[in-house]
Formats: sequence, C-alpha cells, structure tokens
Amino acid sequence: GAGVSQTPSNKVTEKGKYVELRCDPISGHTALYWYRQSLGQGPEFLIYFQGTGAADDSGLPNDRFFAVRPEGSVSTLKIQRTERGDSAVYLCASSLSNSGAQYFGPGTRLTVL
Amino acid sequence: GENVEQHPSTLSVQEGDSAVIKCTYSDSASNYFPWYKQELGKRPQLIIDIRSNVGEKKDQRIAVTLNKTAKHFSLHITETQPEDSAVYFCAATDNDYKLSFGAGTTVTVRA
Repeated sequence: GAGVSQTPSNKVTEKGKYVELRCDPISGHTALYWYRQSLGQGPEFLIYFQGTGAADDSGLPNDRFFAVRPEGSVSTLKIQRTERGDSAVYLCASSLSNSGAQYFGPGTRLTVL
Repeated sequence: GENVEQHPSTLSVQEGDSAVIKCTYSDSASNYFPWYKQELGKRPQLIIDIRSNVGEKKDQRIAVTLNKTAKHFSLHITETQPEDSAVYFCAATDNDYKLSFGAGTTVTVRA
C-alpha cells in the first residue's frame, strides 16, 4: 500500500516568513510523529500525536513551532517567523499504534534564506 | 532523556565481508531498538528492530544483538553487497514512541 507522503518535497523561504509542511500518514495508522534531521545527523524528535491530540510536544524547539492533526489523519507542521537555523529536513512518520514500528516519509527539505 | 552513541561513524568493507555497527544507550528503561537505513536523499527505512525481551533477532543477512546489562546493541550485516552502501542509524526509546537516534554510520561496500 501507499507509504507516508509529505508535501512539499522542497521549500525555500525567506527569514521571517511562515511555512506549513504537510504529512499524510499510512492509512489506518493512529500514531504520527514529526522529526527534524540536520545534515549529517540522526533525526530528532519534535512531536507525537495519538489520534487528534498531541500526546508529547516536548521536542518542539520553541513557540514558533506548532503542529495540528484535526481529524486524526493528515498533520500540518507550522513554523512562524522562520530563522536560518530552522533549515533542515523535516520528517514525518506513522505507526499502527503508539508502540509499533515507525515508518518514515520522504521528508520536506526546508531552506530559510 | 535518552542518549544514544553510535560507532563507527564511517565503515568501508570489501564486498562479501561482514559489517558491524555498535550503539550504546544511557537509559536502562529503554525497551525498543530499531535500525534504519537511509540512502542519499531518501527516507529512513526500517530494516530490523528488537525489543528488550529478546537478545538477538535475525532477518536473512541482517541481525541485531542486544546486551541489556552493558546497554549496547549491534547491527551485523553478512555477505555485504554494493546495495548495502548507505547511512545506518540506530535508535532507542523507553516509552515506545520517542525515538532517540545515533549520529549514523556511513557504510561503503567496495566492489
């Protein structure tokens, strides 16, 4: 079946702008995760959703970052007042339950100029 | 929080030889240890995982071993092939959802 999909694949924006990154999880997966991967490093946890609610947002770096999952399927990661340090690949993953294997999407490469 | 260290950072092997990557973790409560393979510009791909109630798991040419006492786990790839060339990441979690990743190992298989 279809895997996790993310749009856009690439996003270039200017410092101070607002961006939205979208994630479509595998159908039927109740758990959804956002990670951020900087060049040459492993992914870093940002936020975890179980259904519609954010069960753990402890990885969000500051209040410029926010994520929603209003219907328990698609999720949007929102970044306000982008900074150059926000440049990274933003990865989304989903799992059948909160204790299941996590399957990643292809990521959105965000570049803040 | 959990801290995962991964060694080596780069590994070059001759085709047909074995490759071993080792990870250590800090939180003794960690109970789930997946391994991901990431090719350049691609998504991380789950290749094998192990839970803390077993010491070893094998899937064809890939195996993972876990030593809970020493808090380390290892990935073993036998009979390496050129398509095994990629970056490999280990991860650990003590709550089943918040994965903490190692820094990655770049594996190059020489033909």
